[in-house]
Amino acid sequence: DAGVIQSPRHEVTEMGQEVTLRCKPISGHNSLFWYRQTMMRGLELLIYFNNNVPIDDSGMPEDRFSAKMPNASFSTLKIQPSEPRDSAVYFCASSGTGGGNQPQHFGDGTRLSIL
Amino acid sequence: AQSVAQPEDQVNVAEGNPLTVKCTYSVSGNPYLFWYVQYPNRGLQFLLKYITGDNLVKGSYGFEAEFNKSQTSFHLKKPSALVSDSALYFCAVRDDDYKLSFGAGTTVTVRA
Repeated sequence: DAGVIQSPRHEVTEMGQEVTLRCKPISGHNSLFWYRQTMMRGLELLIYFNNNVPIDDSGMPEDRFSAKMPNASFSTLKIQPSEPRDSAVYFCASSGTGGGNQPQHFGDGTRLSIL
Repeated sequence: AQSVAQPEDQVNVAEGNPLTVKCTYSVSGNPYLFWYVQYPNRGLQFLLKYITGDNLVKGSYGFEAEFNKSQTSFHLKKPSALVSDSALYFCAVRDDDYKLSFGAGTTVTVRA
């Protein structure tokens, strides 16, 4: 049973470049979350989709960040232009119907380094 | 807003000894509580949850957690720790309909 799949696992790029992170949620899950993890700030929720619709993007740090979910099996998180302070591990998670009582299933993350 | 606190940054135990990772919560209504574990270079893995019912919740890998309403605690326990249990553990509480508020995490080291 495939879990949440994220790509790439590692990304190193120069400041100012566009970065696109990808996520395939678990089939049948209708909620999708993007998180950022850093030593200083811990886990931060960036955006939440339900049934492919963005419900809460209050955690998106700036206009440089955008996220899309064109269908139930794919989501992207884009940073343009990237900055060194964006360096972090970005996780995608999905959960099934049942709302907040359902556990979130996390991918293994994308480790992003902006030089 | 709901929140959880993990008072210990690190917990060190010998293999075979009991393991406890502490978590306290603050909620305005009924608490919905979760424990997750994170191994190096991996995502968070769900261990167990408390929604309602028995105060002792059993989860994956031999872990259990005890919900204590009077002490507003949800401590994670394992009777006999393994070296492979060394990892980062997160307590979380449901906030709003879908958000999870995570604690800062507790690093568990089990020595052989």
